[in-house]
Amino acid sequence: DAMVIQNPRYQVTQFGKPVTLSCSQTLNHNVMYWYQQKSSQAPKLLFHYYDKDFNNEADTPDNFQSRRPNTSFCFLDIRSPGLGDAAMYLCATSRDRDLGETQYFGPGTRLLVL
Amino acid sequence: AQRVTQPEKLLSVFKGAPVELKCNYSYSGSPELFWYVQYSRQRLQLLLRHISRESIKGFTADLNKGETSFHLKKPFAQEEDSAMYYCALIRQAGTALIFGKGTTLSVSS
Repeated sequence: DAMVIQNPRYQVTQFGKPVTLSCSQTLNHNVMYWYQQKSSQAPKLLFHYYDKDFNNEADTPDNFQSRRPNTSFCFLDIRSPGLGDAAMYLCATSRDRDLGETQYFGPGTRLLVL
Repeated sequence: AQRVTQPEKLLSVFKGAPVELKCNYSYSGSPELFWYVQYSRQRLQLLLRHISRESIKGFTADLNKGETSFHLKKPFAQEEDSAMYYCALIRQAGTALIFGKGTTLSVSS
């Protein structure tokens, strides 16, 4: 009964080759988030969707894009992955954006860039 | 700038010993604070949040605005408490969770 699902769990791509990571949720939550977590660092928010409204963090590189075709799915597109983009990518959802709202995380996709 | 600091990368204790995982934050307003936990091979999940003032799995955390701290405590550690613990804050509704770098808690018998 997984609530936030991420596929694949491991992704290997080549330097400069576009890659897409996917996230789906069965919670019917309004908000979906993408975090990047590099080795030994804290998860860092890249962007989030509130329903269909896209919210980009100010320091998220243009190389990272996202799509949310419906409530259940959200995709992270990396247009030209560099070696520095190797990281764990975490998808999370929350029912709303109120203070104190719990975020539910997926298991993550570990991206390796060769 | 908003920041969460967890000064200890690793905390090792014996079973039955008290545990305190430190968390300090930097924020001028009134943030909402959380502790998230990640057990081995499992996803990141909420442990507790300040707004609920709850105790989960024997853990408690008190917000000290004077010291800007939100330390996580448990009087008697169990082996199953071994995990990575992240302190996080959200500064206002509709914005990001800001995480600390995490502390690995290792409880041995």
